[in-house]
Amino acid sequence: LAKITQPISMDSYEGQEVNITCSHNNIATNDYITWYQQFPSQGPRFIIQGYKTKVTNEVASLFIPADRKSSTLSLPRVSLSDTAVYYCLVNDYKLSFGAGTTVTVRA
Amino acid sequence: DTGVSQDPRHKITKRGQNVTFRCDPISEHNRLYWYRQTLGQGPEFLTYFQNEAQLEKSRLLSDRFSAERPKGSFSTLEIQRTEQGDSAMYLCASSLNRGVDSEQFFGPGTRLTVL
Repeated sequence: LAKITQPISMDSYEGQEVNITCSHNNIATNDYITWYQQFPSQGPRFIIQGYKTKVTNEVASLFIPADRKSSTLSLPRVSLSDTAVYYCLVNDYKLSFGAGTTVTVRA
Repeated sequence: DTGVSQDPRHKITKRGQNVTFRCDPISEHNRLYWYRQTLGQGPEFLTYFQNEAQLEKSRLLSDRFSAERPKGSFSTLEIQRTEQGDSAMYLCASSLNRGVDSEQFFGPGTRLTVL
């Protein structure tokens, strides 16, 4: 099982870009990298998933270097409503969540 | 709402009582998962079903815990002889079986408080 390391917390301001880097040194060849978002008193919500290079959807981008030992979630122009915990996961059918990164967006 | 639903949303019980939670997954999803989340921590995997078959159980799932998914639709998680350490949020998720990259859709959770 890949060991995940991500920052405990990050602060930002509205309109800024937030980049959260996650390390997963022993990722397996078949593993995907997935990010979930969780608001207080709610279940986690899928944000984005990728295997290599760059993936972009309507809410975020995911950058994965060639060695796949790390990944960076990029949230463009955050708003107050993006304040949440963000989890980086290396996929297995049973998701292994760490403590996540608490992102606080201030006005 | 066609998402994952859980019932009840909150449960307060006394130590030693039995409790049962229900999860209704997204209708076409054949995989169903249970997780437990304590304050300040990420969710921890408990067990999962593919259709009606329970394929894996975490060692976190002591013999006081049992889960079922009759007919491969809704699922129940029962905790017998509850302990204060069982106080947590119990989350259910479902997915289509497309392999390890399947997105899981989570319900709102059932918050259990054991007094």
